[in-house]
Amino acid sequence: GDSVTQMEGPVTLSEEAFLTINCTYTATGYPSLFWYVQYPGEGLQLLLKATKADDKGSNKGFEATYRKETTSFHLEKGSVQVSDSAVYFCALSDLSGTYKYIFGTGTRLKVLA
Amino acid sequence: SAVISQKPSRDICQRGTSLTIQCQVDSQVTMMFWYRQQPGQSLTLIATANQGSEATYESGFVIDKFPISRPNLTFSTLTVSNMSPEDSSIYLCSVLKPTGELFFGEGSRLTVL
Repeated sequence: GDSVTQMEGPVTLSEEAFLTINCTYTATGYPSLFWYVQYPGEGLQLLLKATKADDKGSNKGFEATYRKETTSFHLEKGSVQVSDSAVYFCALSDLSGTYKYIFGTGTRLKVLA
Repeated sequence: SAVISQKPSRDICQRGTSLTIQCQVDSQVTMMFWYRQQPGQSLTLIATANQGSEATYESGFVIDKFPISRPNLTFSTLTVSNMSPEDSSIYLCSVLKPTGELFFGEGSRLTVL
């Protein structure tokens, strides 16, 4: 079945460092891909999305490109801030079928001042 | 976006009791889901709450343990029945908007003693 694999955390960075969180997927169809963020004590929020190959999703300085050839959707940010400390979830969904989302295990990011 | 309110936000319950979680959305939505997020883990889909009919449960989840109601397009409840410590988790209500984006409530953190 469909699945999402994320790099394990925690990831600890200094402020202004470059961030990459790897995400790869397996899917039988052509899913949409998403990154969600969960700040401490809060629910999940959509960070960005991409609905087809080569699409780039971006928001709040974060970017991710839908790479069909490598089945990847890595999250990047050029300069992280302390306020980016959170858990990041990669997810896929077959929006033309069951509309179910499959989430990765999450990657905790800690940014130090 | 969608405003999703969940009640209670947290509760501590005794083994063998049941708890009902309510989810209220600020607009009518077709697709509504219930997820579970166990400590330090990712999200697992429990069921799709169908308006006017029985919920559709995922493998490993049954109606007797997690009865769900969906009386209209803005409201749903999830009951966790005959609780055990293994049911300690965050339970999340979510809705799918026409854009294909999944929005979450802030979750109900349940601790079973």
